[in-house]
Amino acid sequence: QVTLKESGPGILQPSQTLSLTCTFSGFSLSTYGMGVGWIRQPSGKGLEWLANIWWDDDKYYNPSLKNRLTISKDTSNNQAFLKITNVDTADTATYYCARMPYYFDYWGQGVMVTVSS
Amino acid sequence: EIVLTQSPTTMAASPGEKVTLTCLASSSVNYMYWYQQKSSASPKLLIYYTSSLASGVPDRFSGSGSGTSYSLTISSMEAEDAAIYYCLQLTSTPYTFGAGTKLELK
Repeated sequence: QVTLKESGPGILQPSQTLSLTCTFSGFSLSTYGMGVGWIRQPSGKGLEWLANIWWDDDKYYNPSLKNRLTISKDTSNNQAFLKITNVDTADTATYYCARMPYYFDYWGQGVMVTVSS
Repeated sequence: EIVLTQSPTTMAASPGEKVTLTCLASSSVNYMYWYQQKSSASPKLLIYYTSSLASGVPDRFSGSGSGTSYSLTISSMEAEDAAIYYCLQLTSTPYTFGAGTKLELK
């Protein structure tokens, strides 16, 4: 049974760094071809892909967020992480992690993040 | 960046009605993926590799297309199908989603 669950700070202030954790079970990020991605969704708006990390530690980022993103993983503890630096109100959204064996099949429930002063 | 344009933006269908949603890509993609999102729930995979039905998805859902033009069809609308539908391309990064089609029950 595949499950993913996101966790984060809930609320943070502009210019701070957002740190998100995706804790998963039912698969391993050391399995050939496996990946985990991060996607976000502002309230009432569409989906935006942010980053992916793969079993071999290859990483893809959305260039629209320039150099603000860092994705990493802890294979031993079945976790993936995303950091977004210098946040502002436009980063307020629900953040999802999703398993990606070639496409996003299982998604977490999402974690709401609010950036506010 | 590949831009996906979904149409219509919003539509309403009666129970039993056939529904077709469209996703046009700004450049050719290898496959299209379709997701259903209800209320505040996380997106649910419906179709992968353009036309393969995800596990547990009713067979009234089907996908087709190639190149830059793709569609999702519901053969007979049911009340539980009211949701927002998104297409996704994974051919090139950045991976991109369409803006979504909101499907309502008439």
